[in-house]
Amino acid sequence: DAMVIQNPRYQVTQFGKPVTLSCSQTLNHNVMYWYQQKSSQAPKLLFHYYDKDFNNEADTPDNFQSRRPNTSFCFLDIRSPGLGDAAMYLCATSRDLGGTDTQYFGPGTRLTVL
Amino acid sequence: DQQVKQNSPSLSVQEGRISILNCDYTNSMFDYFLWYKKYPAEGPTFLISISSIKDKNEDGRFTVFLNKSAKHLSLHIVPSQPGDSAVYFCAASAAGNTPLVFGKGTRLSVIA
Repeated sequence: DAMVIQNPRYQVTQFGKPVTLSCSQTLNHNVMYWYQQKSSQAPKLLFHYYDKDFNNEADTPDNFQSRRPNTSFCFLDIRSPGLGDAAMYLCATSRDLGGTDTQYFGPGTRLTVL
Repeated sequence: DQQVKQNSPSLSVQEGRISILNCDYTNSMFDYFLWYKKYPAEGPTFLISISSIKDKNEDGRFTVFLNKSAKHLSLHIVPSQPGDSAVYFCAASAAGNTPLVFGKGTRLSVIA
């Protein structure tokens, strides 16, 4: 029944070692988002895809990249993780853009950087 | 520079009483507001929303009030139940294809 699935749920990586987080959806939604949430902080939008159109937030570091090979899947690549990148990464989807479209979140991937 | 502020990190309420969670915003362009609820080990789930053309929206035990002049909204849960214990995020968006802006969340504990 899960609609937005994130794998893995927990990821440990070493400082500087590239890591990829995965998100898939069964909702057939046009939009997929990646958020970063640090402890006791608000979820922060990194980027989103509307279909194949990629939209990067202005303050998202270049270290973070994303791929969306098809409607169902979206990946977050962190090229050289630093200690400051340890966080919960949330994937979300919505049918369309705009704040009135409900976003459906996955359970998140907690990233630890050693 | 936080555009959406939830100044209370936590709140404890007795079962059966009213829970009031507050949210303030600074961007006068925001015209749509949402509350999300998050249980541990799960992603946030949509709870209730309100458009700026309204000042109240009700859904069962949950009511959201919007005071545009004060740039303040609140979520009322009555009566509170132990299953309502979660982190509640306030979020806002402006017209057009603008992203949601989230607050830091308030952890609600409903004590039986």
